[in-house]
Amino acid sequence: DSGVTQTPKHLITATGQRVTLRCSPRSGDLSVYWYQQSLDQGLQFLIQYYNGEERAKGNILERFSAQQFPDLHSELNLSSLELGDSALYFCASSMGLKASGNTIYFGEGSWLTVV
Amino acid sequence: TQLLEQSPQFLSIQEGENLTVYCNSSSVFSSLQWYRQEPGEGPVLLVTVVTGGEVKKLKRLTFQFGDARKDSSLHITAAQPGDTGLYLCAGRGGVYNTDKLIFGTGTRLQVFP
Repeated sequence: DSGVTQTPKHLITATGQRVTLRCSPRSGDLSVYWYQQSLDQGLQFLIQYYNGEERAKGNILERFSAQQFPDLHSELNLSSLELGDSALYFCASSMGLKASGNTIYFGEGSWLTVV
Repeated sequence: TQLLEQSPQFLSIQEGENLTVYCNSSSVFSSLQWYRQEPGEGPVLLVTVVTGGEVKKLKRLTFQFGDARKDSSLHITAAQPGDTGLYLCAGRGGVYNTDKLIFGTGTRLQVFP
């Protein structure tokens, strides 16, 4: 158990819909990262938040957005869903801002299927 | 854009065999990590290598960072069924001046008893 909690574990929804994935980081961790894992693209970095502020952006689509709340939990919002958005979405957390020297702990992921 | 290529993509071996997984990039990274991911779980960090030429051992696993910090290898001696999983390398920093983890394409290992 990494200490990172993600909900829901599985989600099936139709194209065009919107979903929200939730993440609670490890106790004491201020950085939250979101990753997307699909069969053809591997594990892709989406976005990082540190103590409520966006710190780094990766391959995140404009249809997707995220935020980190004052209690440090984070949400990833996926809208106008397409079939290709079907993937495993991971949240990860670390104590510090810089990844260097900070171990990043991954949650078990939220499996999204768009039909 | 995938910056880290892993080979092989799939590896299926018998218990007791040795294997090596490679992680290659045209980019220099400040550090490189190896993760193992099992079905239904997130990646778990195995090791971090920082210095060019560095070798780290974790029981039967030996990790090496290339001298130029562009590539890395993972060698498993006498593989066990418990080694089965998806192995991912991930680079950080370097010329792209990025602190985020860039993951490799992954190597899926299956060890049969």
